[in-house]
Amino acid sequence: DSGVTQTPKHLITATGQRVTLRCSPRSGDLSVYWYQQSLDQGLQFLIQYYNGEERAKGNILERFSAQQFPDLHSELNLSSLELGDSALYFCASSVSRDKTGNTIYFGEGSWLTVV
Amino acid sequence: GQNIDQPTEMTATEGAIVQINCTYQTSGFNGLFWYQQHAGEAPTFLSYNVLDGLEEKGRFSSFLSRSKGYSYLLLKELQMKDSASYLCAVRDVGDSSYKLIFGSGTRLLVRP
Repeated sequence: DSGVTQTPKHLITATGQRVTLRCSPRSGDLSVYWYQQSLDQGLQFLIQYYNGEERAKGNILERFSAQQFPDLHSELNLSSLELGDSALYFCASSVSRDKTGNTIYFGEGSWLTVV
Repeated sequence: GQNIDQPTEMTATEGAIVQINCTYQTSGFNGLFWYQQHAGEAPTFLSYNVLDGLEEKGRFSSFLSRSKGYSYLLLKELQMKDSASYLCAVRDVGDSSYKLIFGSGTRLLVRP
């Protein structure tokens, strides 16, 4: 158990809908990262937050947005869902934004299936 | 730009040694990580290198050459449970931000 908690674990929804994925980082971790992993694909970096502020942006679609709240939990919002958005979405956390050697720990992921 | 290359698949025999290579090109560099991922599960941390050389941790070792943009993960005394994907990831420094960028992963199959 990495200490990173993600909900829901599984989600099935229809095209055009909107969903919210939730992440609670490890206790004491200030940085939260979101990754997308499609079937048999690598991990694609979406976005990173540090202590409530956006710090880095990857290949995140405009239909997607995220935020980190004062209690450090984070939410990833996916809207106007398409079939291609079906994937495993991982949240990860680390203690600080950029300390050398700072390990990033992953949650179990949220399986999203768009039908 | 960013580019991380790993072989797609490798096969090895139980009890043997396997080396998984990773080459990278990034605009900045602040460390290289190896993760293990079983299908449908979370990646788990294996090793970290920021300086050139070999880091050993039990049956797993990782090597880094920054001048060559090259790393490898060495797995010794292979066990069936080592069948998994191995992900090379580089912490890329740019635009005052640090991103952990992953390669596509190497799927390792360990056979009896």
